[in-house]
Amino acid sequence: SQQGEEDPQALSIQEGENATMNCSYKTSINNLQWYRQNSGRGLVHLILIRSNEREKHSGRLRVTLDTSKKSSSLLITASRAADTASYFCATDGSYSGAGSYQLTFGKGTKLSVIP
Amino acid sequence: DVKVTQSSRYLVKRTGEKVFLECVQDMDHENMFWYRQDPGLGLRLIYFSYDVKMKEKGDIPEGYSVSREKKERFSLILESASTNQTSMYLCASSPSRDPLEAFFGQGTRLTVV
Repeated sequence: SQQGEEDPQALSIQEGENATMNCSYKTSINNLQWYRQNSGRGLVHLILIRSNEREKHSGRLRVTLDTSKKSSSLLITASRAADTASYFCATDGSYSGAGSYQLTFGKGTKLSVIP
Repeated sequence: DVKVTQSSRYLVKRTGEKVFLECVQDMDHENMFWYRQDPGLGLRLIYFSYDVKMKEKGDIPEGYSVSREKKERFSLILESASTNQTSMYLCASSPSRDPLEAFFGQGTRLTVV
């Protein structure tokens, strides 16, 4: 079953505004990652936050993680039209039997930034 | 520059055909994944592999099989294609240790008619 669930499903904002997307997950994780997908393309990694971290920054991106609530948020500050894309959270938990990592994605948030 | 390459960008196949989707990575990654992406359903994991000849079922393995004979190549096989397998298929690879960032191919849009 899918681990992460993003909220909202779609978000439309004006250029220059901040965009916040949320992700909830069900079971314990090692790391949580955020990815971006431009229309019809593969996903591109944005940022990874470990289970023992609470906040992480990368350029205009800020990610928070609350393991007690099993939730994460991605904040994009001063959004640009080029930020228009779908954003996915992904969690990895050890696959018990094989010791490898199963990377599970949510359904994504579709962000539209209007110029 | 790291790369995950999927053999086809667009593919049209007939119902009942055997379909091979190929994925090659040049980063010496241990893990490789196959997902399908459908509107409103996000990415769903079909199969993944953590080593050569090793494979594990994901959430929706029915109707699919995989092959990993070499570390760099992970193939997804539709034994008998059906119209409900029309979808975008995404391949990804990642290392088995930190950082676990996954790299994706450009996707294969498969249409089964």
